[in-house]
Amino acid sequence: QVQLQESGPGLVKPSETLSLTCTVSGGSISSYYWSWIRQPAGKGLEWIGRIYTSGSTNYNPSLKSRVTMSVDTSKNQFSLKLSSVTAADTAVYYCARERVAVGGGLYFDYWGQGTLVTVSS
Amino acid sequence: SYELTQPPSVSVSPGQTARITCSGDALPKQYAYWYQQKPGQAPVLVIYKDSERPSGIPERFSGSSSGTTVTLTISGVQAEDEADYYCQSADSSGTYVVVFGGGTKLTVL
Repeated sequence: QVQLQESGPGLVKPSETLSLTCTVSGGSISSYYWSWIRQPAGKGLEWIGRIYTSGSTNYNPSLKSRVTMSVDTSKNQFSLKLSSVTAADTAVYYCARERVAVGGGLYFDYWGQGTLVTVSS
Repeated sequence: SYELTQPPSVSVSPGQTARITCSGDALPKQYAYWYQQKPGQAPVLVIYKDSERPSGIPERFSGSSSGTTVTLTISGVQAEDEADYYCQSADSSGTYVVVFGGGTKLTVL
């Protein structure tokens, strides 16, 4: 059973960079797409972006200028960096495995439990 | 930018049928997926490719598609089905930006 676990600071100061890592266990990180998704308290889900194990990335256009994702296949981990954060970036951040459905479409079959990141001085 | 529109809330009594809609211009060209999210938990996939049900999801969950609208139907709603439900799809651009609907709170009266 694949499991994902987010880790990183729970508190980040405004204007600094949020950094999170997702560790994948129970399966290989290779040959899959991996995504970050966030959810402000009481609000909906927002896709941040994806990375393939080759290192290729796609980002949400609304966040693209501030997002960097990377992958370390030797550690079965992938990471998110979000720069110049503000209070609006306060949210639960999820990592998830993204699948391409036969016949088309993208969806998420495994999710981490989520980690709350608060942006505050 | 591409958007998916859901009603904010739906309420039904136990044993009744709940229908949650999701509208988007690209839905005739892109499959929709539905997730259930209970408080403090990560979302769980309940319907994929408009109408298919993953293993382990009860048969009372079904999905359908018509034009620019997809519908999640929960037949014989149970108290445990009270949750937020999100539809999800992707745009048709080369980067396949993932889009979620705003979510629908299902209340079991």
